[in-house]
Amino acid sequence: LAKTTQPISMDSYEGQEVNITCSHNNIATNDYITWYQQFPSQGPRFIIQGYKTKVTNEVASLFIPADRKSSTLSLPRVSLSDTAVYYCLVGGYNFNKFYFGSGTKLNVKP
Amino acid sequence: DVKVTQSSRYLVKRTGEKVFLECVQDMDHENMFWYRQDPGLGLRLIYFSYDVKMKEKGDIPEGYSVSREKKERFSLILESASTNQTSMYLCASSSGTAPREQYFGPGTRLTVT
Repeated sequence: LAKTTQPISMDSYEGQEVNITCSHNNIATNDYITWYQQFPSQGPRFIIQGYKTKVTNEVASLFIPADRKSSTLSLPRVSLSDTAVYYCLVGGYNFNKFYFGSGTKLNVKP
Repeated sequence: DVKVTQSSRYLVKRTGEKVFLECVQDMDHENMFWYRQDPGLGLRLIYFSYDVKMKEKGDIPEGYSVSREKKERFSLILESASTNQTSMYLCASSSGTAPREQYFGPGTRLTVT
């Protein structure tokens, strides 16, 4: 089971870049890395997904080193509205292995 | 936009009652999921379905069953509710071509007394 390890919490200030690193030492060859965001009283929301190197969309960037044993979610210039819990998941098509874990609680301060 | 709706936002049931949680998605997604979320434990997969009438157990299926008679609807059933099933229940769906991009409903906070 490709479980992940993330920091429990992080603090940042508005306008800063935030990097959240996730460790997944047991990642399998066909596993993708996926990140979700969850606000209080809402279901998680898909942010970004990648397999290797770098992926960027309008919300975030995802950096994956060659060995794929870790990944970093980068949020550029965060605002107060980015305060949320961020989950890193690894998994392929077998959803039994799609493990959410406890996530990283990001607190953005003014 | 994908919309996943759940039948209730809040639900209070008594121990031993049979409880039905309904989930409907409007994007013709093949995959549907039921999770429960508890403080400190994150989200845990109860059951998922990749097609009508098909179901697979997740990490914590004990005490739950599911039904998927139509593609858009996935029901979670608590046969005999117990207090340890008090939790937030989240339904999600995803397409067969983007299985890991799950769309979640707003959740149902179930309290069993």
